[in-house]
Amino acid sequence: DAGITQSPRHKVTETGTPVTLRCHQTENHRYMYWYRQDPGHGLRLIHYSYGVKDTDKGEVSDGYSVSRSKTEDFLLTLESATSSQTSVYFCAISGAGTSGSYEQYFGPGTRLTVT
Amino acid sequence: SQQGEEDPQALSIQEGENATMNCSYKTSINNLQWYRQNSGRGLVHLILIRSNEREKHSGRLRVTLDTSKKSSSLLITASRAADTASYFCATSYSGGGADGLTFGKGTHLIIQP
Repeated sequence: DAGITQSPRHKVTETGTPVTLRCHQTENHRYMYWYRQDPGHGLRLIHYSYGVKDTDKGEVSDGYSVSRSKTEDFLLTLESATSSQTSVYFCAISGAGTSGSYEQYFGPGTRLTVT
Repeated sequence: SQQGEEDPQALSIQEGENATMNCSYKTSINNLQWYRQNSGRGLVHLILIRSNEREKHSGRLRVTLDTSKKSSSLLITASRAADTASYFCATSYSGGGADGLTFGKGTHLIIQP
């Protein structure tokens, strides 16, 4: 989990409430990602960032927004949490790789339960 | 979804044996990566193979890539109890970091002592 922290690590919230998850890196990597992991689906990309204030949608972005005001922080917000957003959320980072190929480094995950 | 698919979904072998996992994907890629996930933990990068490479080694790991068949395999030799984990293949289409990775559903590997 080199240089990546996620907070909180566990959260239980009620349907309809907003929730913000934080990813913090100390590696000064350019790219940051949010994934969710659900049984039977593997990991799916929610949003990603390719620089400060530069973000784009991934495969499952509906109901989520992100912000990146500093290189080291990438926030994921559930505008109005629903039970279908109960999941484990992983942040990942990547930087310069050889020959333009980028491996990713993952944080420890946040387990979110929406009741 | 352009998700990769691992095969088998679960694999149980004896310690010391070799473990082979396969991954298939659907479209052209820049590179394919393998990750390991221990229960309740984040993913750990194992190895990356580019589309112009056919085989790559890292310690006890051997990865092959066949772009004509859109498939890859991960071989773990001389397995150990500590290799018990889920293994995921992930594909990158641009290679430039800006498109994230597309993951398969994983192979759960159990090494019996």
